Amino acid sequence: GAVVSQHPSRVICKSGTSVKIECRSLDFQATTMFWYRQFPKQSLMLMATSNEGSKATYEQGVEKDKFLINHASLTLSTLTVTSAHPEDSSFYICSARPPTGGLETQYFGPGTRLLVL
Amino acid sequence: AQKVTQAQTEISVVEKEDVTLDCVYETRDTTYYLFWYKQPPSGELVFLIRRNSFDEQNEISGRYSWNFQKSTSSFNFTITASQVVDSAVYFCALRWSLTGGGNKLTFGTGTQLKVEL
Repeated sequence: GAVVSQHPSRVICKSGTSVKIECRSLDFQATTMFWYRQFPKQSLMLMATSNEGSKATYEQGVEKDKFLINHASLTLSTLTVTSAHPEDSSFYICSARPPTGGLETQYFGPGTRLLVL
Repeated sequence: AQKVTQAQTEISVVEKEDVTLDCVYETRDTTYYLFWYKQPPSGELVFLIRRNSFDEQNEISGRYSWNFQKSTSSFNFTITASQVVDSAVYFCALRWSLTGGGNKLTFGTGTQLKVEL
């Protein structure tokens, strides 16, 4: 099946710093990528939808200036958590959708655990 | 409103027992997709099944089976002869269409399954 990778898998940073998380589709071109956030023992909440070459669409309540998303190529989307605070500590998961395979197809990355001290 | 409810927060069974995970959904769409994902402790979401709203046939895959009942808006998942490796959080999800185009994936809150020896 299709493979999506995320880097880093785990990151610890100091409060006030920025952290960049990469999401790559390894064997297909992803016109659309999605970023989710999952707090411990909770469900995945969609943060934003990233379309290659255009601005991301953010969900209500998600600060676009804090969570910067760049989808510069068909295989790479990045999420930058700017001026991170301890409450940003979470599990961030991306998913990617290939142009073929139907709208219902979405492949998930392994996730990135962010801990802000 | 589009909603997925997994009323069972946590289930514990003894190995070899059968277990059913419940999923109830709400949607105004006539065309939609339902999914089940497994999230082991490592965090990576593992796709299990996708079912479209026009296909009410039940499906069996090895020890896994799914019962889609449109009349009750349910899409339940049964694991037969459970094994310790089945221990994970299982998410039910609904893909639905946005007005104006595009679609979204809404997850339930997940059911933590613990299979003990």
